[in-house]
Amino acid sequence: SQTIHQWPATLVQPVGSPLSLECTVEGTSNPNLYWYRQAAGRGLQLLFYSVGIGQISSEVPQNLSASRPQDRQFILSSKKLLLSDSGFYLCAWTTSFEQFFGPGTRLTVL
Amino acid sequence: RKEVEQDPGPFNVPEGATVAFNCTYSNSASQSFFWYRQDCRKEPKLLMSVYSSGNEDGRFTAQLNRASQYISLLIRDSKLSDSATYLCVVNMGYGLTGGGNKLTFGTGTQLKVEL
Repeated sequence: SQTIHQWPATLVQPVGSPLSLECTVEGTSNPNLYWYRQAAGRGLQLLFYSVGIGQISSEVPQNLSASRPQDRQFILSSKKLLLSDSGFYLCAWTTSFEQFFGPGTRLTVL
Repeated sequence: RKEVEQDPGPFNVPEGATVAFNCTYSNSASQSFFWYRQDCRKEPKLLMSVYSSGNEDGRFTAQLNRASQYISLLIRDSKLSDSATYLCVVNMGYGLTGGGNKLTFGTGTQLKVEL
């Protein structure tokens, strides 16, 4: 069966510091991968998605970036965090229609 | 108008009650529909897909009304463990550039089941 991992689980970072969140998927090949952010009291916002190694598409302009160095690895990064980057970051992979989420990383920027 | 709209609640119901949530969507070309459950500070988990003819999974029944562009979730015999936020999710009928499906999530309806 497929499983999806994210780390770290929680993170507290100062404004202006860099960020690197990692997502890995097991039990499937060539998955479509997604990064979402869920701010407090708000819905899930799609940030990036990837259909293959090195292929990244961005849904919203922001100071975040994503990379897919390996088939089952998806990384979310930032060079300088903003207060508004605080939130719950979720990685997901998809079958034809349904999406399955990792456990998420809760990021607090102070 | 939001693409996917839900009443945020909270719905406070006694254990054993029947409760129903509705969700409306704006794009009449939407192709597929889902209900996800999200516990506090956890990731969303797929509860059930919603089929045109309606479908049932134990105490949970999902219905789709394409003419009125809404989907519903009915929970019978509510349990304390049903307390969570229920997210309505719609595949709006168009894909993402380069492939993949874009799902649009509602902000969720909070359910609290009480003794």
